[in-house]
Amino acid sequence: NAGVMQNPRHLVRRRGQEARLRCSPMKGHSHVYWYRQLPEEGLKFMVYLQKENIIDESGMPKERFSAEFPKEGPSILRIQQVVRGDSAAYFCASSPRGTGRGYGYTFGSGTRLTVV
Amino acid sequence: AQSVTQLDSQVPVFEEAPVELRCNYSSSVSVYLFWYVQYPNQGLQLLLKYLSGSTLVKGINGFEAEFNKSQTSFHLRKPSVHISDTAEYFCAVTPMNRDDKIIFGKGTRLHILP
Repeated sequence: NAGVMQNPRHLVRRRGQEARLRCSPMKGHSHVYWYRQLPEEGLKFMVYLQKENIIDESGMPKERFSAEFPKEGPSILRIQQVVRGDSAAYFCASSPRGTGRGYGYTFGSGTRLTVV
Repeated sequence: AQSVTQLDSQVPVFEEAPVELRCNYSSSVSVYLFWYVQYPNQGLQLLLKYLSGSTLVKGINGFEAEFNKSQTSFHLRKPSVHISDTAEYFCAVTPMNRDDKIIFGKGTRLHILP
């Protein structure tokens, strides 16, 4: 039973390029969450999605960032026109039901984005 | 809204000594509480969680945590640490009975000294 799969593990982009980060949740998990981690800052929530719906995007920057979780296929976090400040580790997590019923997350291993 | 404060950014401790990692939270509603561990270059793994019932929660790898509602704390403890416990530990909170995100603290780095 595969866990949460994120790819690529490492991604290098030049300033101005687009970055696409993919996340396949655990089998049977329909809730997906994206977080960004910077040193000394912990994990910052970005977006919470269910299939074909964005539930909470309060942590997403208003410009250049978007996320989707289509009916088929992985969840995608897309960053357009990347800047150096986007360099970070991006983690995806999934859960079988909402957290309101006491389910915690299962995390992927993350994508480390470096903008040069 | 909820928030989590981890009072120590780094904790050095000798191998086989006991350790306590402190966590306080703030919330206007009842919450579930979690501790996660992150080993270098990996994702986070769930150590333990408090949902309800007994305030002392036992987790994996010999860790336990105690929920104290009056102190709004959820401190993590281990009676004897091992070198393999070197990692970063995150306390986290989410509201009960409402599907929401989990809010994480900034983490505590546990350094095990030989």
